Amino acid sequence: AQRVTQPEKLLSVFKGAPVELKCNYSYSGSPELFWYVQYSRQRLQLLLRHISRESIKGFTADLNKGETSFHLKKPFAQEEDSAMYYCALNAGGTSYGKLTFGQGTILTVHP
Amino acid sequence: DVKVTQSSRYLVKRTGEKVFLECVQDMDHENMFWYRQDPGLGLRLIYFSYDVKMKEKGDIPEGYSVSREKKERFSLILESASTNQTSMYLCASSSSLGQPPIQYFGAGTRLSVL
Repeated sequence: AQRVTQPEKLLSVFKGAPVELKCNYSYSGSPELFWYVQYSRQRLQLLLRHISRESIKGFTADLNKGETSFHLKKPFAQEEDSAMYYCALNAGGTSYGKLTFGQGTILTVHP
Repeated sequence: DVKVTQSSRYLVKRTGEKVFLECVQDMDHENMFWYRQDPGLGLRLIYFSYDVKMKEKGDIPEGYSVSREKKERFSLILESASTNQTSMYLCASSSSLGQPPIQYFGAGTRLSVL
């Protein structure tokens, strides 16, 4: 069975500082990984997915199969990045797009 | 834009009541999901459906059932609500086309069971 672990429940940084939200997974196959974000009073939405290898709002995430990690990084945090972040894994195949989510990390960026 | 609409933003129910949470999506998506969101536990999948009248249990189906009579609508049913079902409930939908599938979420229903 697959599992996603986000070791930090809370993460606080100051504006302009680098930020890294950690995500580790366990899955025997070839995973598809995502980061979802929920801003205050907004619905949960996709931030980025590993297959796209894109930068969204300055965030990037690299899949490291050796370390089974998919950490989310941004070199210079902004106050508007404050939100709840979830890492998620899709097992592929006939899973019908079912996602396994981590426990979530609340990021607070202080002015 | 994909629109996933949950019928109620807040609900307060009494222990033992039968509770219906409704979700409608307007993008002709095949897959629909119900999660509960609890602090420190993340999102946990209750049930999902990959077609009309088809359903599969997720990770925490106990105490819940679902109904999908039409493609656009997916209902979550609490047969006899209990206080430990007080939570935020999120509905999501995704297309079977395109990989990997992206899930689109509703705004959530915050249910309090007294």
